Amino acid sequence: DADVTQTPRNRITKTGKRIMLECSQTKGHDRMYWYRQDPGLGLRLIYYSFDVKDINKGEISDGYSVSRQAQAKFSLSLESAIPNQTALYFCATSVGGGAFNEQFFGPGTRLTVL
Amino acid sequence: AQKVTQAQTEISVVEKEDVTLDCVYETRDTTYYLFWYKQPPSGELVFLIRRNSFDEQNEISGRYSWNFQKSTSSFNFTITASQVVDSAVYFCALSENTGFQKLVFGTGTRLLVSP
Repeated sequence: DADVTQTPRNRITKTGKRIMLECSQTKGHDRMYWYRQDPGLGLRLIYYSFDVKDINKGEISDGYSVSRQAQAKFSLSLESAIPNQTALYFCATSVGGGAFNEQFFGPGTRLTVL
Repeated sequence: AQKVTQAQTEISVVEKEDVTLDCVYETRDTTYYLFWYKQPPSGELVFLIRRNSFDEQNEISGRYSWNFQKSTSSFNFTITASQVVDSAVYFCALSENTGFQKLVFGTGTRLLVSP
């Protein structure tokens, strides 16, 4: 089984709908992240969390919210989806302790907002 | 502010050719970390290598090698004798030494290896 899983893997929705993307990990890592990937722009950080009680905004947090329900679960919500939120979304995890630790990525969720 | 530039948007080579993917970074920190990730057509991101700013030794892993040069702020990635399975998007990323990890990614280089 994959260490970092994301559900759903694909989602098509309409403008104005509320959407939740979920991420679960079995790696036992404290730190979790949400990124979005757009063609030609690479990955950009939306939110990150050091532990259940610590959540921080990333580079592009407007229009998004997150919830860290447990150490292993980190959800990303779009309260009112808009077309320019169409992207590939990745969840990632890393161990604590320093900036040198690599991040482990989930398989991604492809979101299309019509 | 930190920044990573991958000027090569797409590279096409024929199998067995050597290819170098360029990565140039900007940071004000003296301690930082550089990463390369691979994104194959299946879409997942695979960690390839990490390098800290105090270690300028080049690294070789099989057909892969990395050249880190602080003088030119570059961390280039070379694939020797490329194979079709190397076809992917490759991302270079930077993390400053802030006590936690916030990766800043380059825009990626798409490598197409044809038979």
